[in-house]
Amino acid sequence: AQKVTQAQTEISVVEKEDVTLDCVYETRDTTYYLFWYKQPPSGELVFLIRRNSFDEQNEISGRYSWNFQKSTSSFNFTITASQVVDSAVYFCALKNNAGNNRKLIWGLGTSLAVNP
Amino acid sequence: DGGITQSPKYLFRKEGQNVTLSCEQNLNHDAMYWYRQDPGQGLRLIYYSQIVNDFQKGDIAEGYSVSREKKESFPLTVTSAQKNPTAFYLCASSLGDSPLHFGNGTRLTVT
Repeated sequence: AQKVTQAQTEISVVEKEDVTLDCVYETRDTTYYLFWYKQPPSGELVFLIRRNSFDEQNEISGRYSWNFQKSTSSFNFTITASQVVDSAVYFCALKNNAGNNRKLIWGLGTSLAVNP
Repeated sequence: DGGITQSPKYLFRKEGQNVTLSCEQNLNHDAMYWYRQDPGQGLRLIYYSQIVNDFQKGDIAEGYSVSREKKESFPLTVTSAQKNPTAFYLCASSLGDSPLHFGNGTRLTVT
């Protein structure tokens, strides 16, 4: 069975702190995609990143970075020098490469509060 | 700008009434989806449609109905058969295997 676990329900940090959001997944598939989405207070989910299981290279985009480790089935997301605008709920998701988006498996989300 | 429009943002209904949530996209995406979001439960798929005039049940379709008469539109009806309809509803679309693109959501309250 496929499963995505985001063990941190809520995280609270002070502005400029670094924060890591954990994502652990389970799948028997050898090829799959992993995703991160951000849901700000306005409600819409915003796509952040998609990573193919073949590509274990870490990715950096500005203050955001992602650490993909197949050995530990984790796809963690780090925000460096957090800002108040980073306050949101962040979702990790998993999909088999051969499956369409109907097969997306979602984590329960981590609510991040960045305080001034 | 292309995007997905969900209306209204807030919706209030009395128990026993059917209510329809609107979702319109101008992204020319083939596939559209409806999700329900409850506190602590993440996103759950209600219905999805890969092409016009075709749709399939998701994981929690009971008490809901949809139509896909136009590529741009995928309205969701919450029927009186839905036991606990109060929730946040999100519409999404995608082109092929691309990541989902979401609307701003509709918060439905049924009393």
